[in-house]
Amino acid sequence: KAGVTQTPRYLIKTRGQQVTLSCSPISGHRSVSWYQQTPGQGLQFLFEYFSETQRNKGNFPGRFSGRQFSNSRSEMNVSTLELGDSALYLCASSSGPGLGTEAFFGQGTRLTVV
Amino acid sequence: AQTVTQSQPEMSVQEAETVTLSCTYDTSESDYYLFWYKQPPSRQMILVIRQEAYKQQNATENRFSVNFQKAAKSFSLKISDSQLGDAAMYFCAYRVLSGANNLFFGTGTRLTVIP
Repeated sequence: KAGVTQTPRYLIKTRGQQVTLSCSPISGHRSVSWYQQTPGQGLQFLFEYFSETQRNKGNFPGRFSGRQFSNSRSEMNVSTLELGDSALYLCASSSGPGLGTEAFFGQGTRLTVV
Repeated sequence: AQTVTQSQPEMSVQEAETVTLSCTYDTSESDYYLFWYKQPPSRQMILVIRQEAYKQQNATENRFSVNFQKAAKSFSLKISDSQLGDAAMYFCAYRVLSGANNLFFGTGTRLTVIP
């Protein structure tokens, strides 16, 4: 069974640009969550999607958005990039919200904003 | 608000020895999950062990075991017979039992294994 796939693995963008990251969950999983990992703030929850609907959102500005498609693949978008957006973005998939659903993580996308 | 605290930024252990990583958390919920994740240099977060708060028995997975003290809100990870491959960042994480599916993470402990 293929794991969680995140693309691209690395990205370099310029301040003010926008970026789209992609996450393909494990086959059969319908829940996708996104996390931002930085040395200063650690791992912070961005948002969760289940069956194409955003279920939960962390404390991030509106420049961070996401969506989920009918095949459960998810994208997150960051507009008007700032230097502070440089981070490792991790995607986690699970079968769905509820009891005992384990989250499986991808290898992340390393975003560098210059 | 849920918070997870790991007070040991770095730990080291001799190969084949035992090490314990500490984690405390704060929550007003009575039912929740606790996890330890490992993040090697490859950056992929790997689940090491999971504990349901409603279970009094401490979880074990081969060389990994936890000491879960619900009243003290403490959740430590013990690694026995440490191996070189155990070297990684270890994150303690919390999740409510139902409803929101997101994880709250601690700041991590970097474990070094000395040959």
